[in-house]
Amino acid sequence: GAGVSQSPSNKVTEKGKDVELRCDPISGHTALYWYRQSLGQGLEFLIYFQGNSAPDKSGLPSDRFSAERTGGSVSTLTIQRTQQEDSAVYLCASTAKETQYFGPGTRLLVL
Amino acid sequence: DQQVKQNSPSLSVQEGRISILNCDYTNSMFDYFLWYKKYPAEGPTFLISISSIKDKNEDGRFTVFLNKSAKHLSLHIVPSQPGDSAVYFCAARASGGGTSYGKLTFGQGTILTVHP
Repeated sequence: GAGVSQSPSNKVTEKGKDVELRCDPISGHTALYWYRQSLGQGLEFLIYFQGNSAPDKSGLPSDRFSAERTGGSVSTLTIQRTQQEDSAVYLCASTAKETQYFGPGTRLLVL
Repeated sequence: DQQVKQNSPSLSVQEGRISILNCDYTNSMFDYFLWYKKYPAEGPTFLISISSIKDKNEDGRFTVFLNKSAKHLSLHIVPSQPGDSAVYFCAARASGGGTSYGKLTFGQGTILTVHP
């Protein structure tokens, strides 16, 4: 399909392990965002990539979180030494003009 | 600091009636507002938006109203259908350039249930 894709769709990990979440944006979209939604909460902004500009990392909750975007396309969100409070749905979105198109999300559960 | 608030966690409406979902914001720099709909196990999908230079935008059964002086917007769905049952998120974007341009701030969401 032509939409935003994310993998894995579900991830269960043990506390203290590292995880990598992947996002494939819509082809040609220059802006890419990561959000997370914890249980019963709204979407929380994490990080924003726009073309070759320095990313806006202001939403990352701690230095255990990092993200890369290679070649202006695929992005990887890495969480090191996962904690139980990291359990959430991690959503990626890419942008055409004003509208953000979301992927289905990765459901992360940290035991 | 919750800059975008949806104070009603849930709303229940009869099929055919109007659904009104409300959203309040505090940041005067917000200049563009969006509504997203989210079904379980799916990502949010864009529904309708409005620029701060307007006070109303309509798209089929969906109308968004913006009251800038009150820092309030609402989404009206008329007539409501059972397939509209979902979580609705209000989102806002601040004006200006720089690396934060385009970043959306979301409300907590309102669960809409439309009964047949």
